[in-house]
This record gives sequence, structure tokens and C-alpha cells, in this order.
Amino acid sequence: SAVISQKPSRDICQRGTSLTIQCQVDSQVTMMFWYRQQPGQSLTLIATANQGSEATYESGFVIDKFPISRPNLTFSTLTVSNMSPEDSSIYLCSVYLGLSAYEQYFGPGTRLTVT
Amino acid sequence: DQQVKQNSPSLSVQEGRISILNCDYTNSMFDYFLWYKKYPAEGPTFLISISSIKDKNEDGRFTVFLNKSAKHLSLHIVPSQPGDSAVYFCAAYTGKLIFGQGTTLQVKP
Repeated sequence: SAVISQKPSRDICQRGTSLTIQCQVDSQVTMMFWYRQQPGQSLTLIATANQGSEATYESGFVIDKFPISRPNLTFSTLTVSNMSPEDSSIYLCSVYLGLSAYEQYFGPGTRLTVT
Repeated sequence: DQQVKQNSPSLSVQEGRISILNCDYTNSMFDYFLWYKKYPAEGPTFLISISSIKDKNEDGRFTVFLNKSAKHLSLHIVPSQPGDSAVYFCAAYTGKLIFGQGTTLQVKP
């Protein structure tokens, strides 16, 4: 398994501002993922972040809105840019340890409220 | 286009009884199906999985059933315990995870 931490755990931000969410893993991992869970909705994959390469974004998500950094094998950041109330969600990072393709370990999430 | 659906937002059962959580999917190309469990203020944790070539997988009190013809899977928890109270997400995998909306299970003592 893996221990994953996220900062901040929650934040309230004004529209038009940006917030950077950090994800730290206690072991080196190749693949990290960022998800969004809007209120009452399912978890939706935003992008896959591999160290040493550009993040791969899912349909409906763009780099200008959700820039991602992956400077090393234990850390990643997701920035939510130019926020609007529709960005109010829980943002989660997860990692794949290579044991099975589908078993991911999730961080505790960052609850973002945009006013 | 929601490929994985959990139509019951909540379920309440008595301790010791069986909990049955249901999930429907539309894409017959999924390789694996999974259940994740989520407590408040925590991330989802992997619970149990089933390959698309199987119809049943059991792990202790948890059993997942897959009905491919109906594109339906279910999670059975027997016996249910108060500590099982959480949100349960069904997910399907074919290169990436696609989650359902979740079902909140409450197990009453």
C-alpha cells in the first residue's frame, strides 16, 4: 500500500483566483492521477501525471485550466486556475503501485469551495 | 454518457443482515470491475474486484457478483456491521477507472 497526503485539506477561494493542491506519496511511484468529485457526482479522472513527461488530460479538461506538475516520483501538484463556483469539488490524487492495473490508492482529498 | 451507474443513492440495513449494493454498466469492453469504500474525509479504498471473465469473487464477508448478460454487478456484505457504514463506489476499468455515483450504506446497530 501507500500513504498519500494532500494539502490543503480544504479551502474557500474567491472566483477568479487560483489554488494549487499538493499530493505527496511515501514511496516512489510512476503513475499519479488527479480526480474531481463534484457534489453528488462520481469521481472523474482529470489527468494522468507521469514523472518526466507532460500530463495526459481526459476529454473535457485542459492544461490551461488544470496545470499539473510532477517534479519527482513522490510528488505532484494540481492547480485549479481562474476558479468559478462550478469548480467547487473534492479533488483527489491517487497512485498506481504496479500490483494490478486497476487498484489505485487515493489521498484524502481537498475540498474546494469557490465563492 | 454515464457508463457506470449506481441507481440507489442510499441503503439502510440492520446489523447482522445482508447488504446488497447494485451497479449497472453500459460498456461491454470493461476488463475489471471494482468496489471502493469511502469514509468521510478520507479517500476511497479498494475493497474487492472481479475480472470480466468471472461471475463471482469472494473475500471474507464481501462477495461481488457479475452478470455480463445483464451488464450488472452487485456487492454482498454478510453479515453487515456498523463499521461498514460508508459510501461504496462501483468502478469499471479499461485503461482507466470509471466510477459510479456512489451508494451510502448505513448499518444500524
